[in-house]
Amino acid sequence: ETGVTQTPRHLVMGMTNKKSLKCEQHLGHNAMYWYKQSAKKPLELMFVYSLEERVENNSVPSRFSPECPNSSHLFLHLHTLQPEDSALYLCASSPGFGSYEQYFGPGTRLTVT
Amino acid sequence: QKEVEQNSGPLSVPEGAIASLNCTYSDRGSQSFFWYRQYSGKSPELIMFIYSNGDKEDGRFTAQLNKASQYVSLLIRDSQPSDSATYLCAVKTPNNAGNMLTFGGGTRLMVKP
Repeated sequence: ETGVTQTPRHLVMGMTNKKSLKCEQHLGHNAMYWYKQSAKKPLELMFVYSLEERVENNSVPSRFSPECPNSSHLFLHLHTLQPEDSALYLCASSPGFGSYEQYFGPGTRLTVT
Repeated sequence: QKEVEQNSGPLSVPEGAIASLNCTYSDRGSQSFFWYRQYSGKSPELIMFIYSNGDKEDGRFTAQLNKASQYVSLLIRDSQPSDSATYLCAVKTPNNAGNMLTFGGGTRLMVKP
């Protein structure tokens, strides 16, 4: 679990706030992912970056904005979220794009009020 | 039709018994199959992967794949209370952007002492 870290672990924000989630991987991987995990729903892939370039945007609303400044860091910028966006947001990394091994971070539990 | 389907459970087995977890998938082009374990409040961790038809054993875990029937299963022998978790089936499905993991909703396993 320490190979991929996420901050903050818990976040409560209002619908008019702007906040950012941070992910850092210490594994030397080239691909990073954002997933959303809601109660009673499967893990949903949101974004994929390979070598700092976005390769997948899985029809995610524009109120979620990813940023990947380098292969070790991934951000998810949040603005004007809705209560239904409350979920666990998981970051993952893999050695390369499409590699079968994905290592997950501990997640950020987001509550939108 | 969901792309990857799992019975949500809970599946309850006594300690020492064999737990059998099943997963079906809809895309016949799927090539790789993964089982992740997720403890409550924690992030998913990869425990098994399988590419070829048949069985693959790793300690107390056996993954079984039948591509003709489009199902993959995970057997846990000598189940322990520490195996109590949600087990996520994931399938690598080729698409235009590359090979992405699609997750099932997970099966919650409870091993009772």
